[in-house]
Amino acid sequence: AIWMTQSPSLLSASTGDRVTISCRMSQGISSYLAWYQQKPGKAPELLIYAASTLQSGVPSRFSGSGSGTDFTLTISCLQSEDFATYYCQQYYSFPYTFGQGTKLEIK
Amino acid sequence: QVQLVESGGGLVKPGGSLRLSCAASGFTFSDYYMSWIRQAPGKGLEWVSYISSSGSTIYYADSVKGRFTISRDNAKNSLYLQMNSLRAEDTAVYYCARDPSLVVPAAGLDYWGQGTLVTVSS
Repeated sequence: AIWMTQSPSLLSASTGDRVTISCRMSQGISSYLAWYQQKPGKAPELLIYAASTLQSGVPSRFSGSGSGTDFTLTISCLQSEDFATYYCQQYYSFPYTFGQGTKLEIK
Repeated sequence: QVQLVESGGGLVKPGGSLRLSCAASGFTFSDYYMSWIRQAPGKGLEWVSYISSSGSTIYYADSVKGRFTISRDNAKNSLYLQMNSLRAEDTAVYYCARDPSLVVPAAGLDYWGQGTLVTVSS
C-alpha cells in the first residue's frame, strides 16, 4: 500500500491569508492525486484532481501542484467558508489511500 | 443533477450483518466506477471498496477483505455493500462516491452521497 503523510494536521490562519497544505507519498504516484474539502456533518467535496486540475465550480483561489511524491494544496486568499478539513487522496493504485487530514481553523 | 443516496445503516451487534445501498440518479450509472468510503466518528476518511462500471473488477481494503462484498445493479442504478462479521471498529459513516475515470481520466471521486451511519455495538 502507498502511505501518505499530510501536514500540518492543524493550521490556524486568518481571512485573507495564503495557506499551503502538503501531502507526501511513500512512492511515486505520477499525478494521481485529489484534494477534498469536508465541513462538519457533510460529505467531502472534490476540489482538485490530477494534482492540479480544478474541479468545475471550485473557486480559483484553490490550486494544486506537484507530481511524483510531493504535492501541495494552496488557498491564495482565505475566505470564511474555507475553514474546514482538507484531505488528499491517491488513486494511483489500490488500495486507494487518504491523508490524515488538515483542519484549517480561524486564528 | 447527480444524486447519490445511501441507506441501510443502523445499529447492529458485533458479528452481525448489514447491507448498505446507494441509489444513483442524474447520470448514466453504468458508465461510472463506484467506491465506498467510511469515516469513523471524529476520524479521517478510509477507502473501503471499489467496483468497475460492469462489476467485473473489484478491490477491497485489507481491513474489510473477506467480510464485505461490493456489488452493483446497473438496471436499478444501485450500488451495494454487504457487510458481514461486523466489528466495533467498523462503526462509521459510510459514503458511496462516483469515480468518473472512464469518462474523465484520473478525475478523483467527484460526487459523494450524504452518508449512512453504521454503529456496531452490543
